[in-house]
Amino acid sequence: DIQMTQSPSSLSASVGDRVTITCRASQGISNYLAWYQQKPGKVPKLLIYAASTLQLGVSSRFSGSGSGTDFTLTISSLQPEDVATYYCQKYNSAPRTFGPGTKVDIK
Amino acid sequence: EVQLVESGGGLVQPGGSLRLSCAASGFTFSTYSMNWVRQAPGKGLEWVSYISSGSSTIYYADSVKGRFTISRDNAKNSLYLQMNSLRDEDTAVYYCASEPTVDYWGQGILVTVSS
Repeated sequence: DIQMTQSPSSLSASVGDRVTITCRASQGISNYLAWYQQKPGKVPKLLIYAASTLQLGVSSRFSGSGSGTDFTLTISSLQPEDVATYYCQKYNSAPRTFGPGTKVDIK
Repeated sequence: EVQLVESGGGLVQPGGSLRLSCAASGFTFSTYSMNWVRQAPGKGLEWVSYISSGSSTIYYADSVKGRFTISRDNAKNSLYLQMNSLRDEDTAVYYCASEPTVDYWGQGILVTVSS
């Protein structure tokens, strides 16, 4: 099975900082990669699908890039409401594995 | 308005069974593949199972293969997860969710496996 890893596992940044989260697949998955944001006690929210397509209604502060095995989620200017855990998920085939998550908070 | 509403969770003893249901409304359920995703307390998201729109393709995570069965009834706009031989480690909030090209998620239902 293809394994998904994320780095870092957590980060602390200042309001306005540019934040980058990396997701790596152990084998190529083309662009079948989604990014989710989950706030404590809430349902996950889809941010990006097809590696770089912004879900309708999601702030343009969020962007995704990559293909094959290496992907990034970028928050261009971190805001207090972005405090959450971020997960990547592959969906090209089974198992549709999630990454372990990256917890983002404000410094 | 799109809604996915899970039901059927609760407390069950190890080795027991539960059947989760997910009632869909506000979208053409029969045209969407669906998934079950779970989250153990304080842990990350874990994909559990997938079913295609017409039920022809089904996948399971290794952790539940042989114990869980996914199914759907498009006439009733409903998704199901039959969970047998439950273990302590199956304790989690279970979500029904669409494929990750649309953002359809239920609110989640808690399943607690404990003696």
